[in-house]
Parts: sequence; structure tokens; C-alpha cells
Amino acid sequence: QQQVKQSPQSLIVQKGGISIINCAYENTAFDYFPWYQQFPGKGPALLIAIRPDVSEKKEGRFTISFNKSAKQFSLHIMDSQPGDSATYFCAAMGGSTLGRLYFGRGTQLTVWP
Amino acid sequence: GAGVSQSPSNKVTEKGKDVELRCDPISGHTALYWYRQSLGQGLEFLIYFQGNSAPDKSGLPSDRFSAERTGGSVSTLTIQRTQQEDSAVYLCASSLGQGYQETQYFGPGTRLLVL
Repeated sequence: QQQVKQSPQSLIVQKGGISIINCAYENTAFDYFPWYQQFPGKGPALLIAIRPDVSEKKEGRFTISFNKSAKQFSLHIMDSQPGDSATYFCAAMGGSTLGRLYFGRGTQLTVWP
Repeated sequence: GAGVSQSPSNKVTEKGKDVELRCDPISGHTALYWYRQSLGQGLEFLIYFQGNSAPDKSGLPSDRFSAERTGGSVSTLTIQRTQQEDSAVYLCASSLGQGYQETQYFGPGTRLLVL
């Protein structure tokens, strides 16, 4: 079964707007939550990651919000730009499976100029 | 510095043939992973090598899939008797240490099409 559920599947945002992608997980042993960005024809690249001891992490225009009790986390992209158009994957890691990442199904973001 | 490289970039094969996909991790990285990316399915874990430890093969979908890592560096993923449902992008990643809570650096992938 899907260990990490991601929504929406696709997202269209105007330039300058806020993009929000949500993920949920069930396994309480997960303790590392990265977001990956993938451009067409390329492999995914780490964008930002959070551990559950904090509720928010910000790097430039990208922010992860983490709600441990709800087992949810989200990516917010502020002032979205056309160059942000890509597929975004949330992921989770932890417990007995060590380095294995469990990925969501991805969100295809399109930012219109 | 050089990132993770994979070869071939694209592979077209006929159903029933065997294929080998190669991954060269970042120099010095001890952990290596294979994932499969199918359309609309996200990334599916296949196998994980960490140093000299026994690999975690729990994600391999069938016994037609196998992987090895020689000399703690290059890895080869082999798919025997390929089926059309094996068509996907196969991604390799590496990380510096044990892999736990570490950044995984992905290669560009091998796009496999089974006719």
C-alpha cells in the first residue's frame, strides 16, 4: 500500500502565487521527510527536508510545515516562478528500513507567467 | 564534481530478453539505491546497498530482478525475461554514509521500453 499519500496530482498557479502540496503518512516510525524536485528528463533532486522535532523549516521561498499529531506535512512555495514548474515528490524515511525512502506519487506544478 | 551516472540513457528491448542497467555512484558514497519510476506511480524502491552489508532486496518485484554492486562502487541491475510491465524509468541514487537521514543524489535514469 502507498506509505505516503500526496495531493494534488497536478497544480496550476499564477506567477507570484503560493503553491501548496500536501502529504500524509501512517507509519509513526518515519522521522525524516524530504521533498524532491524533478525536471523533465532529469533525476529528482533534494529541495528541502525536515525532521519531526520542528514544525516548520524555511529555505528561501520554500517552506515545509510539519504536523506530527496529524501525520501530515506540506510544501509551500512562495512567490512561485515559471522556473519552479516541475514535478515535486514528498518522501519519508525511518524505522527498521533505514535508508529506504518511501515516495508520494508526485505533483506536477505548472506556474503560468 | 561528477554526479551519479547511469547507462544506457535509453533502452528498447523485446519481451523476453534480458537487460542490464548500470549505475556509477558519486565517488566515496557508500550507500547505493535503485528505484523504479512508472508513469503516475511515483518512485518505487527496489534495492539498497550499504557498504559491505547484505543488500536490502525487499523492493524487488519478482525473481526476474537482481542487482549487484562490485567493489563497493558500480552497480548493475539485471532484469531477466523482460515483460511489458517492466517499462519504466530506472533511477539510481547514492548517499555518503549509512543512508539514514542523508541526502540521496539521483542519476538521470535509464528509460526502459519493452516491446
